Amino acid sequence: DIVMTQTPLSSPVTLGQPASISCRSSQSLVHSDGNTYLSWLQQRPGQPPRLLIYKISNRFSGVPDRFSGSGAGTDFTLKISRVEAEDVGVYYCMQATQSWTFGQGTKVEIK
Amino acid sequence: QVQLVQSGAEVKKPGASVKVSCKASGYTFISYYMHWVRQAPGQGLEWMGIINPSGGSTSYAQKLQGRVTMTRDTSTSTVYMELSSLRSEDTAVYYCARGVSGSYDIDYWGQGTLVTVSS
Repeated sequence: DIVMTQTPLSSPVTLGQPASISCRSSQSLVHSDGNTYLSWLQQRPGQPPRLLIYKISNRFSGVPDRFSGSGAGTDFTLKISRVEAEDVGVYYCMQATQSWTFGQGTKVEIK
Repeated sequence: QVQLVQSGAEVKKPGASVKVSCKASGYTFISYYMHWVRQAPGQGLEWMGIINPSGGSTSYAQKLQGRVTMTRDTSTSTVYMELSSLRSEDTAVYYCARGVSGSYDIDYWGQGTLVTVSS
């Protein structure tokens, strides 16, 4: 199985300041079809996960442009340009190149 | 709009089985695969398996092989996940989630169903 490792596991941030989460995979996520199936999910307290970013850097419908994704191969990053109160929750990276596996999650909270 | 509405919470005894439903609406049911993902209390996400609503073919996580069965009813646009021989470690919120057509991505998620296994 591909193992997804996120850092940090907790990220206290000040409102209006940026936040960044890293995700590393145990092997390349480049699929034989040429795509890299790396997504980012947001899970607010008491809610189901919600898709934010797919294929490394594509924002899903309705996702604010303060969220952005980047990376390639085995190293990926989610950035929030200016954290808002509604961004509090746990963020997961997910790979879908070889079956489906998730990172451990990164808790974003307000300082 | 795409909606995935799951059945209500369940409490089961160890050794029993549970069947969770997920009713889809707002899109062509047979055109999108459906995944099941679970989340133990305070823990991360675990992929359980996938079903193709068109033909009914399935693929399950190795860890759950032999205990999990996913089925569908095209007449009601509903998928089901049945887990047998329940143990305390199966206590979790179970989510259905739609696979993106022509891709391996997952886009929409159901609201979740809490299954509690307790004697």
